Amino acid sequence: GAVVSQHPSRVICKSGTSVKIECRSLDFQATTMFWYRQFPKQSLMLMATSNEGSKATYEQGVEKDKFLINHASLTLSTLTVTSAHPEDSSFYICSASRELLLQPQHFGDGTRLSIL
Amino acid sequence: DQQVKQNSPSLSVQEGRISILNCDYTNSMFDYFLWYKKYPAEGPTFLISISSIKDKNEDGRFTVFLNKSAKHLSLHIVPSQPGDSAVYFCAASENGGATNKLIFGTGTLLAVQP
Repeated sequence: GAVVSQHPSRVICKSGTSVKIECRSLDFQATTMFWYRQFPKQSLMLMATSNEGSKATYEQGVEKDKFLINHASLTLSTLTVTSAHPEDSSFYICSASRELLLQPQHFGDGTRLSIL
Repeated sequence: DQQVKQNSPSLSVQEGRISILNCDYTNSMFDYFLWYKKYPAEGPTFLISISSIKDKNEDGRFTVFLNKSAKHLSLHIVPSQPGDSAVYFCAASENGGATNKLIFGTGTLLAVQP
């Protein structure tokens, strides 16, 4: 069964809206979660590392004020796309892993964001 | 700079035959490698992984081979089944992968023909 749950699976909204996406680890605690973005027919690109109790670490070129990350508990990280515009339309995916060596990251089912 | 590369964007294989998916990397600090399977509009599903201290790991129909000197890994699926048709991503990480980010390849679309 799924070990990482992501919600919602699809969002369609108007330009200028802020959208919040939740990522939960279901049966383990995760001090670190990851947020990825995938454009059509491209690879998954890491956007940021979400750290429980501290600020997220953003990859180069990712606007931290645009993509707000909150990791308030050991099982929940949220990504908020603020004032979304059509160019933010994409597939957003989170992941988490049991924090032991040689443990794979497990991914949520992703959120398809469409900004009109 | 693409640190993980999958040079074949697509592969077509007959049912029952072997599928071989390849992946190359450039960062010698990578020590944990994974293969994921992905369907459209879904998150990747973990298939199999290998640590750099090994050169082979097998799980059922799936075997991953690692050649550190060539910085190359491959995924073998045998026998291939139509349900294996999906995009396959290889990924790599440093420090055993525990809390380190994954670097993904560009993916290979596998089509298994009945």
